[in-house]
Amino acid sequence: SQKIEQNSEALNIQEGKTATLTCNYTNYSPAYLQWYRQDPGRGPVFLLLIRENEKEKRKERLKVTFDTTLKQSLFHITASQPADSATYLCALGNAGNMLTFGGGTRLMVKP
Amino acid sequence: GAGVSQSPRYKVTKRGQDVALRCDPISGHVSLYWYRQALGQGPEFLTYFNYEAQQDKSGLPNDRFSAERPEGSISTLTIQRTEQRDSAMYRCASSLGSGRAGAETQYFGPGTRLLVL
Repeated sequence: SQKIEQNSEALNIQEGKTATLTCNYTNYSPAYLQWYRQDPGRGPVFLLLIRENEKEKRKERLKVTFDTTLKQSLFHITASQPADSATYLCALGNAGNMLTFGGGTRLMVKP
Repeated sequence: GAGVSQSPRYKVTKRGQDVALRCDPISGHVSLYWYRQALGQGPEFLTYFNYEAQQDKSGLPNDRFSAERPEGSISTLTIQRTEQRDSAMYRCASSLGSGRAGAETQYFGPGTRLLVL
């Protein structure tokens, strides 16, 4: 069965450092991958999309890589800030637009 | 511009009762999705619609769960004969396109917290 793994343990980093979150998947061939941010008590908010034929995408301080051979996506936040503290979800999608979400990784950026 | 809205925000019901959860998508959005999210987990897909047509209901746990979107706008997720294991956050999302080109951004609502006693 399809499986998406994100580190369930919280990631604690110091302000100004780069945060790197991992999303691994098995038994899946996604057409694209999305990253969402979720704050406590709120719904997920879309951040970035990367397609299967793309290696890397950037948006301001965010960078996503997608390695379909390793079946892995890495999500980077450079120059992290306490306001970046949240849970980050990866979601895999296919042509039918149905998303399968990972369990999320909680990021804590300490001042 | 209003985002996705859901009502009620909280619902407490007794085991065996039926509940109806409402989702009002962003105006003009073609696709509407229902998810269930347990605490500390990512959203779990339940079903989705393009306009009024239900495209995929493979995520509905059993036949007590049903959803409709009769006019291609507002949607209702109904759970019949609720059980305690149905307690969760139910989230709705909508997207502008139908997803045929793939990779539609989904906009999530605030969710309905359901508690079955």
